[in-house]
Amino acid sequence: DSGVTQTPKHLITATGQRVTLRCSPRSGDLSVYWYQQSLDQGLQFLIQYYNGEERAKGNILERFSAQQFPDLHSELNLSSLELGDSALYFCASSVATADEKLFFGSGTQLSVL
Amino acid sequence: AQTVTQSQPEMSVQEAETVTLSCTYDTSESDYYLFWYKQPPSRQMILVIRQEAYKQQNATENRFSVNFQKAAKSFSLKISDSQLGDAAMYFCAYRSGLRGSTLGRLYFGRGTQLTVWP
Repeated sequence: DSGVTQTPKHLITATGQRVTLRCSPRSGDLSVYWYQQSLDQGLQFLIQYYNGEERAKGNILERFSAQQFPDLHSELNLSSLELGDSALYFCASSVATADEKLFFGSGTQLSVL
Repeated sequence: AQTVTQSQPEMSVQEAETVTLSCTYDTSESDYYLFWYKQPPSRQMILVIRQEAYKQQNATENRFSVNFQKAAKSFSLKISDSQLGDAAMYFCAYRSGLRGSTLGRLYFGRGTQLTVWP
């Protein structure tokens, strides 16, 4: 168990809908990262938050947004969903030091039908 | 952007034997980190081993070791005495070590599916 909790584990929805994925980082970790794993794109970095502030953006679509709350949990919001958004979405956390170690959650499997 | 290539989509090994998974990467940076992650059917991403580019000595973690060839930009993973529990998808990943870079931004290869036969 990595200590990173993601909910829900599975999510099935329809095109055009909006969903929210939730991540609770390990206790004490200030940084949260979101990754997408799909058959087409593989594993790719979406976005990072550090102590409530956005720090870095990767290949994140404009239809997607994220935030990190004062209690350090994070949410990834996906809107106007398309079939191609079906993927496994990972959250990872770290203490954000030079000796960076990422701890991954078990992911949320999103299926867009 | 950095690219990571895993040329073996699938590999198989007999239990107790040794297997080597290949990984090459492309970067113009001199300071970076390389990782091997394991993703079993549970989907959890588990860090197997890590190598700092400035270290010449190859990293080892129990039955797992790497062959890091910086000039060739090659980073292979050797699994010795393979066990059934080693069956998983293995991902090679790169992270920049440059000051100011996003510490947790990893660039992943497409993965190698390892099957372990009893």
